[in-house]
Amino acid sequence: DAGVTQSPTHLIKTRGQQVTLRCSPKSGHDTVSWYQQALGQGPQFIFQYYEEEERQRGNFPDRFSGHQFPNYSSELNVNALLLGDSALYLCASSLGQGFDTQYFGPGTRLTVL
Amino acid sequence: GQSLEQPSEVTAVEGAIVQINCTYQTSGFYGLSWYQQHDGGAPTFLSYNALDGLEETGRFSSFLSRSDSYGYLLLQELQMKDSASYFCQGGYSTLTFGKGTMLLVSP
Repeated sequence: DAGVTQSPTHLIKTRGQQVTLRCSPKSGHDTVSWYQQALGQGPQFIFQYYEEEERQRGNFPDRFSGHQFPNYSSELNVNALLLGDSALYLCASSLGQGFDTQYFGPGTRLTVL
Repeated sequence: GQSLEQPSEVTAVEGAIVQINCTYQTSGFYGLSWYQQHDGGAPTFLSYNALDGLEETGRFSSFLSRSDSYGYLLLQELQMKDSASYFCQGGYSTLTFGKGTMLLVSP
């Protein structure tokens, strides 16, 4: 049973560029949440997708957008990258919109130069 | 707003018991989860409390008191491998993590 997978593992971009991060949820899960984790901090909730729609959103600008596909996989897009966007981006999957148990992927380490 | 407060660091020795506290704002709150994260790794789910009381899973237990807006994670029979960061997460209209507690277990 495959867990949550994310790609790529690491990514280096320059300011102003755009990036797309990908996530495949755990088998049987239909909900994907995205988080940004800066070094030494707790994960910050970006948004959650369920039934191919953004259901909840944290305090992130519109430069952060996403998508969920019919197979429940998801993408996170960040436009006009800033130095402050450098962080570990985590994807978590769950069943339904319940918040009791989330399974996290290994993350994508994004560095913006 | 939605915020959770937890201590930044806790130290203990192998075999001991340690409690990591988490206080939260009550507006819109409906449950508390706990996650463990080793350096460079992904958070791993430990426990969830939707109702008041104690939930036990092996060496780990979690407690919630809604009347006190407070919860804790209890780790028993500490092992070196328990050295990690522990996060409480509040279930609100959005999912909010605390800033994490670094647990250092020494021999």
